[in-house]
Amino acid sequence: DQQVKQNSPSLSVQEGRISILNCDYTNSMFDYFLWYKKYPAEGPTFLISISSIKDKNEDGRFTVFLNKSAKHLSLHIVPSQPGDSAVYFCAASGGSGGGADGLTFGKGTHLIIQP
Amino acid sequence: SAVISQKPSRDICQRGTSLTIQCQVDSQVTMMFWYRQQPGQSLTLIATANQGSEATYESGFVIDKFPISRPNLTFSTLTVSNMSPEDSSIYLCSVRQGAADTQYFGPGTRLTVL
Repeated sequence: DQQVKQNSPSLSVQEGRISILNCDYTNSMFDYFLWYKKYPAEGPTFLISISSIKDKNEDGRFTVFLNKSAKHLSLHIVPSQPGDSAVYFCAASGGSGGGADGLTFGKGTHLIIQP
Repeated sequence: SAVISQKPSRDICQRGTSLTIQCQVDSQVTMMFWYRQQPGQSLTLIATANQGSEATYESGFVIDKFPISRPNLTFSTLTVSNMSPEDSSIYLCSVRQGAADTQYFGPGTRLTVL
């Protein structure tokens, strides 16, 4: 049973426009959420995180929104740039699914930025 | 954030053999983690490795198959034992740094078992 779900395997966005990546979770014990970016043949790179006590966190072009009642979070990238083309993983911690300290990951969304 | 390296970066192995993957961090960290990413799948936690104690394994992973060493605060190894083609995956180590639960990952080891 997947506790973190990214239902869009891929997303294509025009350069300069906003990219919105979505993530849903089922475990109400999760209290910390992260987004990672991964290029082929590299490890995941940490992008941005949010604690469950907040509903928004912003860092430059990246903003993460958390809707606890809907168990939903989203990552907004604006404006989108060609270098943003990568696979984006949503992850969560605090629930039993990932162990006491580990992270539970979604399957990822492949973001493609079109010129 | 910590700089993490892994060796080897990739390997092709024969069924029934074992491979040891090394993870080196440029600073002392208490908690290190090992994950696996099978083709087309998400990252799955194998075990948590703390220095000075036995590794804690997640459901579905056992010490006989994935023995882990953590001899000091900057180094860990994961061995994939008696390999089968189903073990073909990317294996990643990570460390937790900072006050929150943020983890930073190494570049990964791509393993192919024939």
